[in-house]
Amino acid sequence: ETGVTQSPTHLIKTRGQQVTLRCSSQSGHNTVSWYQQALGQGPQFIFQYYREEENGRGNFPPRFSGLQFPNYSSELNVNALELDDSALYLCASSFPGDPYNEQFFGPGTRLTVL
Amino acid sequence: SQQGEEDPQALSIQEGENATMNCSYKTSINNLQWYRQNSGRGLVHLILIRSNEREKHSGRLRVTLDTSKKSSSLLITASRAADTASYFCATPFTGANSKLTFGKGITLSVRP
Repeated sequence: ETGVTQSPTHLIKTRGQQVTLRCSSQSGHNTVSWYQQALGQGPQFIFQYYREEENGRGNFPPRFSGLQFPNYSSELNVNALELDDSALYLCASSFPGDPYNEQFFGPGTRLTVL
Repeated sequence: SQQGEEDPQALSIQEGENATMNCSYKTSINNLQWYRQNSGRGLVHLILIRSNEREKHSGRLRVTLDTSKKSSSLLITASRAADTASYFCATPFTGANSKLTFGKGITLSVRP
């Protein structure tokens, strides 16, 4: 049990809509990273939040945005959904004192865009 | 593009046999990690090997790292049906240990 939780578990949206996914980090972890995993692929890094600020971003367009709250939970927002946004969205939290920053992943949110 | 490339893409073995999975990567790293994923759910961290380590053990898992060849292997000994899953190697972004690049993964099936 990693302690990282995500909601909702599954979500179905239509093209053009907006979606918000949520992640609660493990206790004591102030860094949250988001990943997108398309079917049959490995996870791809979207962005990371550290102490409520964006701390690095992967190759994703600006319609992917995020927030981190004072309790270190985080949201991933995707605007103008496209069919290719259908994927498993994973968040991971890490412990600031760990020099190798082991990542603890949540169970993911399965997003389907129709 | 993905930094890590696992090999083979799929592996099917009998329970009790050993499973060997390989990963190659492109750039210099300071650590390499292996993860397991069951049925498209969350990733479970298996083991981390540092760039100054050549071999590491954890239970039935043995990981090797060859930085000169930019490759790593994961060996699962005495496999069980419960080991059936997808396995990924991951390497950190340069200068950013907490941001990972994953390969496409290996699908391991262990037949009872």
